Amino acid sequence: DAKTTQPPSMDCAEGRAANLPCNHSTISGNEYVYWYRQIHSQGPQYIIHGLKNNETNEMASLIITEDRKSSTLILPHATLRDTAVYYCIVRVEAPISNQGGKLIFGQGTELSVKP
Amino acid sequence: KAGVTQTPRYLIKTRGQQVTLSCSPISGHRSVSWYQQTPGQGLQFLFEYFSETQRNKGNFPGRFSGRQFSNSRSEMNVSTLELGDSALYLCASSLKGTSGTSTDTQYFGPGTRLTVL
Repeated sequence: DAKTTQPPSMDCAEGRAANLPCNHSTISGNEYVYWYRQIHSQGPQYIIHGLKNNETNEMASLIITEDRKSSTLILPHATLRDTAVYYCIVRVEAPISNQGGKLIFGQGTELSVKP
Repeated sequence: KAGVTQTPRYLIKTRGQQVTLSCSPISGHRSVSWYQQTPGQGLQFLFEYFSETQRNKGNFPGRFSGRQFSNSRSEMNVSTLELGDSALYLCASSLKGTSGTSTDTQYFGPGTRLTVL
């Protein structure tokens, strides 16, 4: 089962920031938080990941609470093309020779960006 | 760099047939994972290959199998197709560094849409 809880859907006005929450209250110390998104019928697209510190890249920012039990993905200026299902996943850091390949997807949040 | 490529993109088969799907990972990536996506079950992990060896397997029947070649390309095979095998099959590749540990980000291909009639 997925170790994360996300709201099933959210709306956002175009040009505004989209803040997508994720709860992962049972996260372990060596588990990373990953975010992917999937635009209809396409393959999931990697967005960002982090362990403890907040992270930012050209797509988004990831804010992780100090206790690491929740996080928020921020799309600073949402566009219509950001309409997608967003998945929050916790994933263990694994030795190279071990089983690190498995991503467990939940149902995600369906973000609708409206004009 | 070219992304993950999957062929074919669309496939129609009938019950009882078998099918082989192909995945070419990003250049330099050594690990390939396969996922099945259906409206009812969502995205589910099938298996992972690294250095031509299956490293991890999801909860799918033995009709689902795969392999990886020395150039890291991978194929998955589904035998005796059932209607419920209709799905989007996704392949993801990751770098899998050669030392230490790795968070090992997976990058997905566009998928193969399989329809079983």
